[in-house]
Amino acid sequence: SQTIHQWPATLVQPVGSPLSLECTVEGTSNPNLYWYRQAAGRGLQLLFYSVGIGQISSEVPQNLSASRPQDRQFILSSKKLLLSDSGFYLCAWSVTTAGKYGYTFGSGTRLTVV
Amino acid sequence: DAKTTQPPSMDCAEGRAANLPCNHSTISGNEYVYWYRQIHSQGPQYIIHGLKNNETNEMASLIITEDRKSSTLILPHATLRDTAVYYCIVSGNTPLVFGKGTRLSVIA
Repeated sequence: SQTIHQWPATLVQPVGSPLSLECTVEGTSNPNLYWYRQAAGRGLQLLFYSVGIGQISSEVPQNLSASRPQDRQFILSSKKLLLSDSGFYLCAWSVTTAGKYGYTFGSGTRLTVV
Repeated sequence: DAKTTQPPSMDCAEGRAANLPCNHSTISGNEYVYWYRQIHSQGPQYIIHGLKNNETNEMASLIITEDRKSSTLILPHATLRDTAVYYCIVSGNTPLVFGKGTRLSVIA
């Protein structure tokens, strides 16, 4: 069966420090991969999505970047964190972009920038 | 931007049916209606989706109006564990965009 792993679960980082969050999917090939962020008290915001290795689409201008070095690995990065980067980061995968078979989300990383 | 409108919150008595409405008046012919829910501090969970016909699975039923401009998610016998934020999303072949959803509180 397919599983999605996301780590770490919680992270506290100082302003200006770098960030690297990793997400991996098992049990499927060529998944569509997504990064979402949920700020405190707000809805889910799509940050990046990828339909294949090296193919990244950015949905909003921000202090973050994403990379897909392998088929089932999706990485979210920042060179210098801002206070506004705090939030709940969720990785997800799907068979198709429209999610006809559903999106499966990871358990999330709660990032606090101090 | 989300293309759906949902009430911000609803209450439901435990054991009763929860009916969550969603308006999507600008839906296109190739767009599906999806429902997800998010329990506090967890990732969203897929519930159900449909195009034109009503759909039912082990979690819920989805009723879509004939003109497809609105839909209703029905949880037939709500339990306390169904307390969550429920998102109604319309999408064709683009990534899902989540709005603010409806916060459903199931009350004992």
